[in-house]
Amino acid sequence: DAGVTQSPTHLIKTRGQHVTLRCSPISGHKSVSWYQQVLGQGPQFIFQYYEKEERGRGNFPDRFSARQFPNYSSELNVNALLLGDSALYLCASSLNRGGGYEQYFGPGTRLTVT
Amino acid sequence: GNSVTQMEGPVTLSEEAFLTINCTYTATGYPSLFWYVQYPGEGLQLLLKATKADDKGSNKGFEATYRKETTSFHLEKGSVQVSDSAVYFCALSLNTNAGKSTFGDGTTLTVKP
Repeated sequence: DAGVTQSPTHLIKTRGQHVTLRCSPISGHKSVSWYQQVLGQGPQFIFQYYEKEERGRGNFPDRFSARQFPNYSSELNVNALLLGDSALYLCASSLNRGGGYEQYFGPGTRLTVT
Repeated sequence: GNSVTQMEGPVTLSEEAFLTINCTYTATGYPSLFWYVQYPGEGLQLLLKATKADDKGSNKGFEATYRKETTSFHLEKGSVQVSDSAVYFCALSLNTNAGKSTFGDGTTLTVKP
């Protein structure tokens, strides 16, 4: 079975631009979460979507938005990019929201803002 | 709020040495605990997990026991290999929501032959 897939793998953008990152969860997984991992730190939670609805939001500005589609794939959008948005963006899927379900992570999208 | 604290790295060991990476947590509810491993240029892979107190998670020779009394989940391996060189992350998620995890800052392990 295919794991979590993300596209693109790498991306270079200029300050002020907009970016869209894409994620396809493992087949059958209904929950998708997005994380930002800055170099040398652990991943920070951005959003969770379950059954196409936002179920959680981390401490990120409104420039960050996301959505989940009927096939459970997801997009993360970031507007007005800042240099500090440079990071590895990770998508994770899980079977359900409940306790004990582990998350499966994709390989990430490396975003560089210049 | 929830938080995870890992021992500061980096950690450098010789092959076949014993490994311990300390992890402590604070949580507002009843968490599940996880260890993830990240190899260079890759995403995170689940290494092991424990969902309730006194549970022991194990995988590939690594072990960790959920200690509620000390709010700890230390990672151990009896004999490390060069291939274990990676960054290790301790994480928690509340049992009400598996999709929102809180991570520590990671511990870089380098194993020398």
